[in-house]
Amino acid sequence: EVQLLESGGDLVQPGGSLRLSCAASGFSSSSYAMSWVRQAPGKGLEWVSTISASGGSTHYADSVKGRFTISRDKSKNTLYLQMSSLRVEDTAVYYCAKGHNTYGFLFEYWGQGTLVTVSS
Amino acid sequence: EIVLTQSPGTLSLSPGERATLSCRASQSVSSSYLAWYQQKPGQAPKLLIYGASSRATGIPDRFSGSGSGTDFTLTISRLEPKDFAVYYCQHYGNSPWTFGQGTKVEIK
Repeated sequence: EVQLLESGGDLVQPGGSLRLSCAASGFSSSSYAMSWVRQAPGKGLEWVSTISASGGSTHYADSVKGRFTISRDKSKNTLYLQMSSLRVEDTAVYYCAKGHNTYGFLFEYWGQGTLVTVSS
Repeated sequence: EIVLTQSPGTLSLSPGERATLSCRASQSVSSSYLAWYQQKPGQAPKLLIYGASSRATGIPDRFSGSGSGTDFTLTISRLEPKDFAVYYCQHYGNSPWTFGQGTKVEIK
């Protein structure tokens, strides 16, 4: 059974940094594209970042480019999102998602999310 | 960037009724790379439809998708109480991969 468990969400001040983790089980996450999608309180879904199955390519939304870095640790079957220069508008629940085996940017399975609050 | 506009914003229906949700793209979605997700309060989104009309694993056949180009539709043939939720469309062709703003299907 595919399971994704996010962690690392917290309250952080504007300008601060945070690293989110997504532990995968039931499959090898290094065989699939993996993504982060966020949802601000009471709002819709926003794609944030994707890393290819090989890890050789990464993609970012313009809103986080230069501030967020996606990575993975194959030995731990874990996906990460390093967030820096955080802004109030980055406040959201962050979901990690497993890409479809054919279409990497189709989000086939989702974790339950971790809440990041950016506030002074 | 492809902008996806969903309508209506809210759909008020009774169990057993048919729901028709629309997703319009600002430019043609290549190869019908259009998906639909369902999200219930406090839960993660769930993939329902991909390729505009293919049901994801385990999705009942009362959910169907159609459309191509810039106009897509999600139809729920007979609403069950567990279907009342927010539905999002998403394109997964070229970056950036965007979502519509959502349609809430609520109990009338």
